[in-house]
Amino acid sequence: ELKVEQNPLFLSMQEGKNYTIYCNYSTTSDRLYWYRQDPGKSLESLFVLLSNGAVKQEGRLMASLDTKARLSTLHITAAVHDLSATYFCAGQGGAQKLVFGQGTRLTINP
Amino acid sequence: DAGVIQSPRHEVTEMGQEVTLRCKPISGHDYLFWYRQTMMRGLELLIYFNNNVPIDDSGMPEDRFSAKMPNASFSTLKIQPSEPRDSAVYFCASSLGGLGNTIYFGEGSWLTVV
Repeated sequence: ELKVEQNPLFLSMQEGKNYTIYCNYSTTSDRLYWYRQDPGKSLESLFVLLSNGAVKQEGRLMASLDTKARLSTLHITAAVHDLSATYFCAGQGGAQKLVFGQGTRLTINP
Repeated sequence: DAGVIQSPRHEVTEMGQEVTLRCKPISGHDYLFWYRQTMMRGLELLIYFNNNVPIDDSGMPEDRFSAKMPNASFSTLKIQPSEPRDSAVYFCASSLGGLGNTIYFGEGSWLTVV
């Protein structure tokens, strides 16, 4: 059974700094997904990583996938306050089943 | 283009009452998912449909939970009778082609059972 673990679970950082959120998963998952959730809101799809070595970037966020290491990373470059949110990674635990990590609550301070 | 629409957004009900949550997926999408989010268990898949047919309901916690999709534009998740431990946010999501493509989540139904 697929298990997905994120770290850190809480991250407080200053604007302008860089940081990385890590997502490890326990068994084979050829695909990895990243979502953002603002407090009291829905989940917004950020990235869908479909194969080993996949790298995708959108603005200050960049996600990558290493299926051999069973690791995905979400890198934040020059953080701004608007990126404060909870970020979830999810692996594919079955034909159509997303298995989510615990989430990383990111707070970016001015 | 309207996203996934859920109702009600918030519901407070007494233990033992029946609760019905509703979802309208994005038009044209062929997959519909129901997820539940709690502090203790995080986000969990309850059930999903493909072309209105339930495919995997192994995540449904117990017989008190049931889900239907009578047509391509409507789905319900029913809890009868409700219990305090059912308190959670219930998300409906839809996709064209399933995983591998973008899954779009609704705003969620916040359920409190007292």
